Amino acid sequence: EIVMTQSPATLSVSPGERATLSCRASQYVSTNLAWYQQKPGQAPRLLIYGASTRATGIPARFSGSGSGTEFTLTISSLQSEDFAVYYCQQYNNWPPYTFGQGTKLEIK
Amino acid sequence: EGQLVESGGGLFKPGGSLRLSCVASGFTFTNYSIIWVRQAPGKGLEWVSYISRTSNFIYYADSVKGRFTISRDNAKNSLYLQMSSLRAEDTAVYYCARRRSMRPPGDAFDLWGQGTMVTVSS
Repeated sequence: EIVMTQSPATLSVSPGERATLSCRASQYVSTNLAWYQQKPGQAPRLLIYGASTRATGIPARFSGSGSGTEFTLTISSLQSEDFAVYYCQQYNNWPPYTFGQGTKLEIK
Repeated sequence: EGQLVESGGGLFKPGGSLRLSCVASGFTFTNYSIIWVRQAPGKGLEWVSYISRTSNFIYYADSVKGRFTISRDNAKNSLYLQMSSLRAEDTAVYYCARRRSMRPPGDAFDLWGQGTMVTVSS
């Protein structure tokens, strides 16, 4: 099973600033990596797939990068609606599909 | 865009059974593989089960194997999760989600339901 590790667990950033979230896979996953955003009481929403492709309707301030085992989600200028929990997920070697434990992005 | 709507959650006793449903609309259900994902209170996301478009490929997480059964009825645009031998640790919000495409080796999940809460307690 591929273990996904996200860091940091909590990230405090001011609105308008840049946020950088990390995800590491315990084994090679190529670019078969997705990022999801989840707000309280809501279902996850797909942000990024293929490590760097934005899903339909996702603003350009969200960008993904990386390949192999190291990945990054960057939010270039944080808006109030971006404060949420973010999960990475690998789909290179499954089952099982595996998610990271999440990074909570909070207002500083 | 489409929509997925789960139902069937509630309060259930340890050792009991239930069936969750997920009804799809606004897209061609038969074209997509679907998964169940759960989220225990205050915890992260855990994949539970996968079913392919024609039900020929089915997979389960080790934590539910032998207790849960996934199925689908393409004529009714519906997905099911039969849950038995319930445990307290099955308490979670259960989401169904659509696999974005059939490209190998896999793809992300681009459409999620709102979830249904299952609580297992005596």
